[in-house]
Amino acid sequence: AQSVTQLDSQVPVFEEAPVELRCNYSSSVSVYLFWYVQYPNQGLQLLLKYLSGSTLVKGINGFEAEFNKSQTSFHLRKPSVHISDTAEYFCAVRPYSSASKIIFGSGTRLSIRP
Amino acid sequence: DTGVSQNPRHKITKRGQNVTFRCDPISEHNRLYWYRQTLGQGPEFLTYFQNEAQLEKSRLLSDRFSAERPKGSFSTLEIQRTEQGDSAMYLCASSPPLAASYNEQFFGPGTRLTVL
Repeated sequence: AQSVTQLDSQVPVFEEAPVELRCNYSSSVSVYLFWYVQYPNQGLQLLLKYLSGSTLVKGINGFEAEFNKSQTSFHLRKPSVHISDTAEYFCAVRPYSSASKIIFGSGTRLSIRP
Repeated sequence: DTGVSQNPRHKITKRGQNVTFRCDPISEHNRLYWYRQTLGQGPEFLTYFQNEAQLEKSRLLSDRFSAERPKGSFSTLEIQRTEQGDSAMYLCASSPPLAASYNEQFFGPGTRLTVL
């Protein structure tokens, strides 16, 4: 079985400051790793994904994440946030062997202060 | 192509009533997924179709829930005898035929259900 833990339910940060959203996962099999963003009253949008290869992956809107296999972590970072980054962020995994379900964390609400 | 669409976007119903939601996937996507998202939580998998075949169902999908995809295109999710605990956002996603080991799921905007 797989599980995803997002350590912070809310992260307040000032505009133009850096931010890190933490994610740890547990799985007995190899998994793909994802970060999704959900803006108010909208569906989920894929920010970035780790499939294989370089452990540093870059996504949309200036976000990046680093896969650390030994620590089973996949933290999301952005060097300078904007008001428009205010949203809910979900870390997720999907087993290699499965074409079906994605397992999501409980989410981190990022709020940007001017 | 405008992405995955879901209707209605919002549904308010009284406890005990039946409700049905519709999902239209991206054209030529043969895989379709339903997830449920309760307030303050991440989405949880409900069920998955490949073409018209329902290949996997979560334990969350009680006997009151039924999903169909009769012609392998759009899908419906019906909840019978709704309960207040069914209040949630119901998300649909679709993905293309499996060309490699990975295929992305594209999510719709969701249907928000409120059971009074």
